[in-house]
Amino acid sequence: NAGVTQTPKFRVLKTGQSMTLLCAQDMNHEYMYWYRQDPGMGLRLIHYSVGEGTTAKGEVPDGYNVSRLKKQNFLLGLESAAPSQTSVYFCASSYSADRNQPQHFGDGTRLSIL
Amino acid sequence: AQSVTQLGSHVSVSEGALVLLRCNYSSSVPPYLFWYVQYPNQGLQLLLKYTTGATLVKGINGFEAEFKKSETSFHLTKPSAHMSDAAEYFCAVTRGGRRALTFGSGTRLQVQP
Repeated sequence: NAGVTQTPKFRVLKTGQSMTLLCAQDMNHEYMYWYRQDPGMGLRLIHYSVGEGTTAKGEVPDGYNVSRLKKQNFLLGLESAAPSQTSVYFCASSYSADRNQPQHFGDGTRLSIL
Repeated sequence: AQSVTQLGSHVSVSEGALVLLRCNYSSSVPPYLFWYVQYPNQGLQLLLKYTTGATLVKGINGFEAEFKKSETSFHLTKPSAHMSDAAEYFCAVTRGGRRALTFGSGTRLQVQP
């Protein structure tokens, strides 16, 4: 049971390039989330999804887009990368809308924008 | 709006000493509270959670936390630190329809031999 898998694990981009981060979960979870982690700031929510075909904005959505075409996958896109988007990105998922359900995290994607 | 404050970005203890990591929250409605641990180059793992009921919550690896509504606190403790406890610890709160977590800024725990 792989849980939450993020690809790639590391990536270096030049300013203005685009890329897509992939998150896949094999736990049949409804809810999926993208967070970014920056030093001294904890994790901040970028976008989230409450089910297949749905997406919504979080705290820091600017510069990112997401898609949830399949229940098990949640994609995070950067259309035109900026140095301010250098961060560690974490995907998470949870089973249901019940707040009692914990979120399960992937191992992260380290992204550097030069 | 809800928020989480973790006092002390770095905490250093000796092996065998008490671990105390502080977390205070602000929320206008009863919160659900979580502690997560992050080991180097890994994702976050759930240590423990408070939802309703007993205010003293026991988690994995010998950690526990006590929900104190009057103090709006949810401090994490462990009676005796082990070298393997060295990691970054995050307190988080959730409420609302989107079920997303609001995280504190994290506390890095060092354990000295």
